[in-house]
Amino acid sequence: EAAVTQSPRSKVAVTGGKVTLSCHQTNNHDYMYWYRQDTGHGLRLIHYSYVADSTEKGDIPDGYKASRPSQENFSLILELASLSQTAVYFCASSDRGDDEQYFGPGTRLTVL
Amino acid sequence: GDSVTQTEGLVTLTEGLPVMLNCTYQTAYSTFLFWYVQHLNEAPKLLLKSSTDNKRTEHQGFHATLHKSSSSFHLQKSSAQLSDSALYYCALNTGNYKYVFGAGTRLKVIA
Repeated sequence: EAAVTQSPRSKVAVTGGKVTLSCHQTNNHDYMYWYRQDTGHGLRLIHYSYVADSTEKGDIPDGYKASRPSQENFSLILELASLSQTAVYFCASSDRGDDEQYFGPGTRLTVL
Repeated sequence: GDSVTQTEGLVTLTEGLPVMLNCTYQTAYSTFLFWYVQHLNEAPKLLLKSSTDNKRTEHQGFHATLHKSSSSFHLQKSSAQLSDSALYYCALNTGNYKYVFGAGTRLKVIA
């Protein structure tokens, strides 16, 4: 079965601090995604990547950067964390751009 | 742009009653529709997917039929179980990398 892991699983950050969320997949998938989940908004796409060393902006990229150093790893970076970025963040991978997505367990980020 | 609408934020049902969760979408492109289920404190997982017009898709007792004429992909089950309580997302993919998710419907099944 496909495997996507995220670290940390939970994090408390201070406003203005830097936060890095990491995602690792062992599926040999080309596509990777970062979503944030908020009640009433569902899952919203922040950044995605379809090849190593390249990332693309999703629907809500402001305040976030992404890095894909290898096929297996995809990071989400908050350079200056803000209160509004408190949410649960999910990483996902898929074999093709139109196929099933496999989600990681999520990271609960609280910005104080 | 592309969008997915799930009209019910919360659906509460008594065990044994039928389930129907609504999903409509808007897109100008070819369509792949998905239902994902997310149990409490877990990751979303694929429940159903379809790209074929008017074809019923079934999995784990749930079924859905993609109707392109009405842009709908409603999720149904004949008899709700307590274990069906979860958050359900309808999602759209237009044949490229990008998925659009609805806001989600929380299904609560009570005894």
